[in-house]
Amino acid sequence: KNEVEQSPQNLTAQEGEFITINCSYSVGISALHWLQQHPGGGIVSLFMLSSGKKKHGRLIATINIQEKHSSLHITASHPRDSAVYICAVEGSGGGADGLTFGKGTHLIIQP
Amino acid sequence: ETGVTQTPRHLVMGMTNKKSLKCEQHLGHNAMYWYKQSAKKPLELMFVYNFKEQTENNSVPSRFSPECPNSSHLFLHLHTLQPEDSALYLCASSQDIIGVRNEQFFGPGTRLTVL
Repeated sequence: KNEVEQSPQNLTAQEGEFITINCSYSVGISALHWLQQHPGGGIVSLFMLSSGKKKHGRLIATINIQEKHSSLHITASHPRDSAVYICAVEGSGGGADGLTFGKGTHLIIQP
Repeated sequence: ETGVTQTPRHLVMGMTNKKSLKCEQHLGHNAMYWYKQSAKKPLELMFVYNFKEQTENNSVPSRFSPECPNSSHLFLHLHTLQPEDSALYLCASSQDIIGVRNEQFFGPGTRLTVL
């Protein structure tokens, strides 16, 4: 069973700061997902990646398959970025095995 | 309506009740999932359906019974639950279960309280 660890668990930063959230996993994967969960429960998929780097607006996700590590970066952070950010991995069986999730990083951006 | 919808959004039930959670996706996807999110714990996969066939049952107790009558609808039937089953139950769908087609789209969840 894959173990997914996220750090930090909690992060408070000032508006405009550059944010980095880390995710490491223990067993080889077919893909890694970054998800955003707002208060109230709704979850949005931010990225799905299996190699390299992806960018969407102010969000950047990177993955290093050899090191079993991924990072999510937020540039020019804004209070509306406040949410829980969750890393999840797919095993070698792909979606048939579902996703294994980290505990999430609770991010608060103060104005 | 678009995306993934779940009903009810909130549910309170006694341990002897029988209730059902409903999930519907309007995205034309072929795979659907049930996840459980308990307080202070990571999301846990419960069930995976692909083309209406169950591909994964993640050691879920039999008091949770899924049903997938077609690719657009997924139900979770609840029977004689325990207070520790109180959680947020999330449904998700994806186009497929392979590669980039496995990007998952989540519903808003049902907040379940078992008394």
